[in-house]
Amino acid sequence: GAVVSQHPSRVICKSGTSVKIECRSLDFQATTMFWYRQFPKQSLMLMATSNEGSKATYEQGVEKDKFLINHASLTLSTLTVTSAHPEDSSFYICSAGQGWGAFFGQGTRLTVV
Amino acid sequence: QQQVKQSPQSLIVQKGGISIINCAYENTAFDYFPWYQQFPGKGPALLIAIRPDVSEKKEGRFTISFNKSAKQFSLHIMDSQPGDSATYFCAASYTSGTYKYIFGTGTRLKVLA
Repeated sequence: GAVVSQHPSRVICKSGTSVKIECRSLDFQATTMFWYRQFPKQSLMLMATSNEGSKATYEQGVEKDKFLINHASLTLSTLTVTSAHPEDSSFYICSAGQGWGAFFGQGTRLTVV
Repeated sequence: QQQVKQSPQSLIVQKGGISIINCAYENTAFDYFPWYQQFPGKGPALLIAIRPDVSEKKEGRFTISFNKSAKQFSLHIMDSQPGDSATYFCAASYTSGTYKYIFGTGTRLKVLA
């Protein structure tokens, strides 16, 4: 299957700072990528759709100014959590589709202290 | 109408047994149904997927059964192994080919040695 790589896998940041998470499609090009958030022992909740060369589309209830998404190339999308607070602590996962399905990155565990 | 209902929430199976996880949906516009396996701290991995025009699909020990009239589909894991212990998510896509999914609530499977 296609490979999606996410970096970093873990990050700890101080409250009020910003954190950038990268999502790369390694062996294919993706005009669209997706960002999900997952709380412990819960399902994946779609946050936004990242569109190459244009603005991201955010799901209802997701603050676009807090979760900045940039999809500057066909293989890279970034999610920046701005002015992070402890309630932003979560597992963030990206996905990109090719062929028969969507392939996910390994996830980023964000802890805000 | 956008929900995908998944059951059971947790499942314990003896080694060699059959694990069965069920999902149900309401939106008849859904046209693609993948299943994912997730280990703790990792991103979901695509296992198998099916379209509504097919009643069953088998790949190795994994089989999807699809009942279009009942709007239900299920994952069967034959000869379950301890290494299959993970959380399984069903998903549905209502915009064909976009890879934008709505996920079920997840089933935590434990296979006893």
